[in-house]
Amino acid sequence: DTGVSQNPRHKITKRGQNVTFRCDPISEHNRLYWYRQTLGQGPEFLTYFQNEAQLEKSRLLSDRFSAERPKGSFSTLEIQRTEQGDSAMYLCASSRTGTGDEKLFFGSGTQLSVL
Amino acid sequence: QKEVEQDPGPLSVPEGAIVSLNCTYSNSAFQYFMWYRQYSRKGPELLMYTYSSGNKEDGRFTAQVDKSSKYISLFIRDSQPSDSATYLCAMTSGAGSYQLTFGKGTKLSVIP
Repeated sequence: DTGVSQNPRHKITKRGQNVTFRCDPISEHNRLYWYRQTLGQGPEFLTYFQNEAQLEKSRLLSDRFSAERPKGSFSTLEIQRTEQGDSAMYLCASSRTGTGDEKLFFGSGTQLSVL
Repeated sequence: QKEVEQDPGPLSVPEGAIVSLNCTYSNSAFQYFMWYRQYSRKGPELLMYTYSSGNKEDGRFTAQVDKSSKYISLFIRDSQPSDSATYLCAMTSGAGSYQLTFGKGTKLSVIP
């Protein structure tokens, strides 16, 4: 399977703890996106990378959130000092530029529950 | 007013029915339109992608875009129980990041 892979699938943590999620995009895709989805809502954009450069961040991405894509391949999303409001599905998507019709493919997400 | 409005449903139809799902949007910069299907506890799966006004067909699915009315639709013919899922419309201006703006999603149940 060469789709977008996310780990872990589920994470339960206590308020105040730090958590880190990993995303492995489709191998030839140079863009990688992070979205957050809460129950009953559509996904909301958080940030994106083109290769290793983080080019855009949403105002939803507070300073407790940090994302990296060190070698332009996999990416990590870290949330420090988690709050109950951080409970959501965190989705990663990847795409390839330069094709004229860029399509985003999503992983299965990491479901975060903050107790 | 949100940039993308989508009736969350739920929508329940008998097997074999034609399903119509709709979204309206307010941002005239949106040029690329997508429909994603999302099963429970899974990520969104791209179903349809279009960038011009008019219809695009793929099997039992037809995507329709009316840019003048800022209205998009997805039609599902001969609906099957396996079509039961949440359907999300998404759109982007295509400028720069291809950041997608999603609707809330419509939950569809197809009853055998």
